Amino acid sequence: NAGVTQTPKFRVLKTGQSMTLLCAQDMNHEYMYWYRQDPGMGLRLIHYSVGEGTTAKGEVPDGYNVSRLKKQNFLLGLESAAPSQTSVYFCASSFLTSGGARRAGEQYFGPGTRLTVT
Amino acid sequence: EDQVTQSPEALRLQEGESSSLNCSYTVSGLRGLFWYRQDPGKGPEFLFTLYSAGEEKEKERLKATLTKKESFLHITAPKPEDSATYLCAVQPSSGGYQKVTFGIGTKLQVIP
Repeated sequence: NAGVTQTPKFRVLKTGQSMTLLCAQDMNHEYMYWYRQDPGMGLRLIHYSVGEGTTAKGEVPDGYNVSRLKKQNFLLGLESAAPSQTSVYFCASSFLTSGGARRAGEQYFGPGTRLTVT
Repeated sequence: EDQVTQSPEALRLQEGESSSLNCSYTVSGLRGLFWYRQDPGKGPEFLFTLYSAGEEKEKERLKATLTKKESFLHITAPKPEDSATYLCAVQPSSGGYQKVTFGIGTKLQVIP
């Protein structure tokens, strides 16, 4: 049981380049999230998904796109990277049981991807 | 707007010196308050969920409590391995389940 995994762990991009971050979870969770974490700021939600084939914008979605073609995978894309997107990116997942809607707040995080855009 | 303020920003304790971390929050109705631990270079690790004022949860040397305006994470007789950043987050009762606001965290260092 690997939990939530992310690839790659580190990446350096030049301004204007594109890349995709991959997140996978093996806990059969319905919800998946992409956050960014910057110094002096709390985790900020970029995009999220409430199930396979669905995605929605979070707090800071500009410059990012996502896809969830399979329940266990959630991809984050940067089409044209900018220095402002230098950050640590975390994927997370959570479940929603029939009697435990409350537990959707218990999120399980991956190890993160450290992205630098020069 | 939901807000989470954690204090202190950093805390240095001697091994065995008990203390508390504070999480003050503003939310229009609370669905849940969460505590996470984050080690350097790693993702946050879920610790506790508290749902209503007066509730308490314990895990080893950690005890989380909740009032209507704040939560405390009490650390009893800490050990060096308790060193980490502790994050607090709130989920409002209105809006979708994705709506979770995180605090910046308290960086705890326990000195042997």
